[in-house]
Amino acid sequence: GENVEQHPSTLSVQEGDSAVIKCTYSDSASNYFPWYKQELGKRPQLIIDIRSNVGEKKDQRIAVTLNKTAKHFSLHITETQPEDSAVYFCAASRGGSNYKLTFGKGTLLTVNP
Amino acid sequence: GAGVSQSPSNKVTEKGKDVELRCDPISGHTALYWYRQSLGQGLEFLIYFQGNSAPDKSGLPSDRFSAERTGGSVSTLTIQRTQQEDSAVYLCASSLASRSNYGYTFGSGTRLTVV
Repeated sequence: GENVEQHPSTLSVQEGDSAVIKCTYSDSASNYFPWYKQELGKRPQLIIDIRSNVGEKKDQRIAVTLNKTAKHFSLHITETQPEDSAVYFCAASRGGSNYKLTFGKGTLLTVNP
Repeated sequence: GAGVSQSPSNKVTEKGKDVELRCDPISGHTALYWYRQSLGQGLEFLIYFQGNSAPDKSGLPSDRFSAERTGGSVSTLTIQRTQQEDSAVYLCASSLASRSNYGYTFGSGTRLTVV
């Protein structure tokens, strides 16, 4: 089955700096790669996703890049703010007949004011 | 409904007792998923229901865990003879599971504590 590795497990940045979280996946048939943000005590929420026919997607301060050949994808957050502090999870899915997401173990991002 | 609803939000039970956790997905979502999140840990897949297909039970950790989904809507996750290691937040999610849209919407979870 699919295996998703995520790193780093913790990341601390100063407000205004950029943050990058990287994930690798094992199943070459995976074609959908979402990112979820989970604030303390809250539910995970989808913040951005990318499909395998696209190399990059951007939404304001957040961007995701995908390298299908190397089987890795990354989340980039620019101009970080304290409210960006949370746990971020990457995930992968084949779609098609099985939409189950396999998640990475998460990255605790702390943005210091 | 407007979102995925889970109940109860918190459950404390004695070791050895059975518990039932409920999930009410977004209306029209054909796929429903259960995950478990232990303190400070990632999201561990448990079970996945897709329409009328047989569920994917590959993530259930033991035969003490079972789940059903009645009428393609509400789902119940049952844990029999609970153990302390079952303590975790149990998250339910649903999705449209169509080729154009299969992102999850999560519920707020049930925090299970086995004492």
